Amino acid sequence: DAGVTQSPTHLIKTRGQHVTLRCSPISGHKSVSWYQQVLGQGPQFIFQYYEKEERGRGNFPDRFSARQFPNYSSELNVNALLLGDSALYLCASSSFGGGDQPQHFGDGTRLSIL
Amino acid sequence: GESVGLHLPTLSVQEGDNSIINCAYSNSASDYFIWYKQESGKGPQFIIDIRSNMDKRQGQRVTVLLNKTVKHLSLQIAATQPGDSAVYFCAETNPGSGNTGKLIFGQGTTLQVKP
Repeated sequence: DAGVTQSPTHLIKTRGQHVTLRCSPISGHKSVSWYQQVLGQGPQFIFQYYEKEERGRGNFPDRFSARQFPNYSSELNVNALLLGDSALYLCASSSFGGGDQPQHFGDGTRLSIL
Repeated sequence: GESVGLHLPTLSVQEGDNSIINCAYSNSASDYFIWYKQESGKGPQFIIDIRSNMDKRQGQRVTVLLNKTVKHLSLQIAATQPGDSAVYFCAETNPGSGNTGKLIFGQGTTLQVKP
């Protein structure tokens, strides 16, 4: 079975632009979470979606938004990109939205802001 | 605030030896813990998890120990192999996150396996 897939794998943008990152969860998983990982640090929680509803939001500005589609895939949107948004963006899926289940990660989208 | 921290940034072991990676957490309400392995250029890979009603859980070549009294978590890897070289993260969830599944990660420990 396919794991969590993310696209694109790499992306280069300039300040002020916007970006859309995509994620397909493991088949049968209904929850998708997004994390930002800056080089040398652990991932930081951005959003969780379950059954197309936002279940949680981390400490990120309103420039970050996301949505989940009926097929449980998800998009992360970032507007007005800043240099500090350069990071690896990870998507994780789990069967349900609760906090007591393993989350499985994709290999991420490496976003570089020039 | 909440944090999950690791005691050592880098651990170097000889191939075939056992490895122990430690993790401290600060929130006594945390009730679910996961260990992840992250290789260069890849996303975190699930290794093993443990719930707060357990003290120990074993997988293939790995054991996780949870000491709630001192809020300490450890990952033991038996017969460490070169393929085990990676960054290891512990992560936690707690009810204070509103059952969102929000994972709180530590900084990571780099495991280097010497041949």
